Amino acid sequence: GAGVSQTPSNKVTEKGKYVELRCDPISGHTALYWYRQSLGQGPEFLIYFQGTGAADDSGLPNDRFFAVRPEGSVSTLKIQRTERGDSAVYLCASSLADTQYFGPGTRLTVL
Amino acid sequence: SQKIEQNSEALNIQEGKTATLTCNYTNYSPAYLQWYRQDPGRGPVFLLLIRENEKEKRKERLKVTFDTTLKQSLFHITASQPADSATYLCALDSYGGSQGNLIFGKGTKLSVKP
Repeated sequence: GAGVSQTPSNKVTEKGKYVELRCDPISGHTALYWYRQSLGQGPEFLIYFQGTGAADDSGLPNDRFFAVRPEGSVSTLKIQRTERGDSAVYLCASSLADTQYFGPGTRLTVL
Repeated sequence: SQKIEQNSEALNIQEGKTATLTCNYTNYSPAYLQWYRQDPGRGPVFLLLIRENEKEKRKERLKVTFDTTLKQSLFHITASQPADSATYLCALDSYGGSQGNLIFGKGTKLSVKP
């Protein structure tokens, strides 16, 4: 079956711009996670959805970051007023139980 | 807060040998521990999960051990092959329960030479 997909695969933007990153989870998976991975580091948790609601958003670094999952399936991570430090690979994962299935990530570059 | 250390950034071994990767954590004992494989430009791929009441788990050439006294997990790849070359990530559940977010180590980059 289809895995987790993320679009775009690459996004280059200028400092101060707004970006949206999309995640399509595996069909039927109730839990959805966003992580951020910098070079040479492991993924770092941002936010976790159970259904439509954010069960844990403690990893969001500041109020420029926001995520939604309005129908309990697709999720969008939104970053306002991007900064160079936001450059990283943004990973999405979904799960039914303990195992998380990751997408290929979106590489965000803020110039 | 929970911290994870994977004690080698890189590990180079000869084809056919057993690779052993180490994951140590510092705080509470997690309900489970997972190992993922990550290839360049790709997302992590789940390999094995071991629960706190399990000492060892195997899957084909892979073996994971979990010692809650030492706060350590060992990940073994036997009869290693060049295709096993990748970064291996250790991950723990964040709150000692299921379906929460995972805390990842930095990973160990394994290179298997023919």
